[in-house]
Amino acid sequence: QITLKESGPTVVKPTQPLTLTCTFSGFSLNTRGVGVGWIRQPPGKALEWLALIDWNDDERYTLSLKSRLTITKDTSKNQVVLTMTNMAPVDTATYYCAYALTRYVYGDAFEIWGQGTMVTVSS
Amino acid sequence: SYVLTQPPSVSVAPGKTARITCGGNSIEDKIVSWYQQRPGQAPVLVVYAGSDRPSGIPERFSGSSSGNTATLTISRVDAGDEAAYYCQVWESSSDQVVFGGGTKLTVL
Repeated sequence: QITLKESGPTVVKPTQPLTLTCTFSGFSLNTRGVGVGWIRQPPGKALEWLALIDWNDDERYTLSLKSRLTITKDTSKNQVVLTMTNMAPVDTATYYCAYALTRYVYGDAFEIWGQGTMVTVSS
Repeated sequence: SYVLTQPPSVSVAPGKTARITCGGNSIEDKIVSWYQQRPGQAPVLVVYAGSDRPSGIPERFSGSSSGNTATLTISRVDAGDEAAYYCQVWESSSDQVVFGGGTKLTVL
């Protein structure tokens, strides 16, 4: 059974960085064809893809936020970490991590999602 | 950048068929996924690779694509299907994941 869980601060001050950790079980990020992605959702708004890292250490970022994002993985700990710099109130959202199927066959389908973590950017 | 366009809302009576569309340039050539998100919950994958269903998803959910439109069809709709639905693709030329704006399905 695949599970993922997000952890990190619930409140971040403007201009500060945000670091979120996704801890997962039930699969290995060394397995060909799998990845972990981050998606966010501002209150009452649509889903927005942020970043994805796969078994091959390939990192991809949404172009609009690429300069602010870093995604890394620690396969020994079964964790994926997302860092977003220079946070602003517009970044207030629920942040999800999700288990992804390879883009070449499944188009990066996010098969299993974490419960999400709400992050508020406020002074 | 690649854009996916969904109607903000769709309404359907119980027992009827709901069709939720997702418009994108030549979307029939892309691999489409669909997600259901009930209020206060994380999204759930209901269709992937255009028309496949993950285990546990009822056969009432199906997906198709033609030209510039992908469609999620939900047959025999019941109150439990009331949720927001999102389409998603991988845009190969820019290597980006793209979500649609979401459609709120209301069961009358």
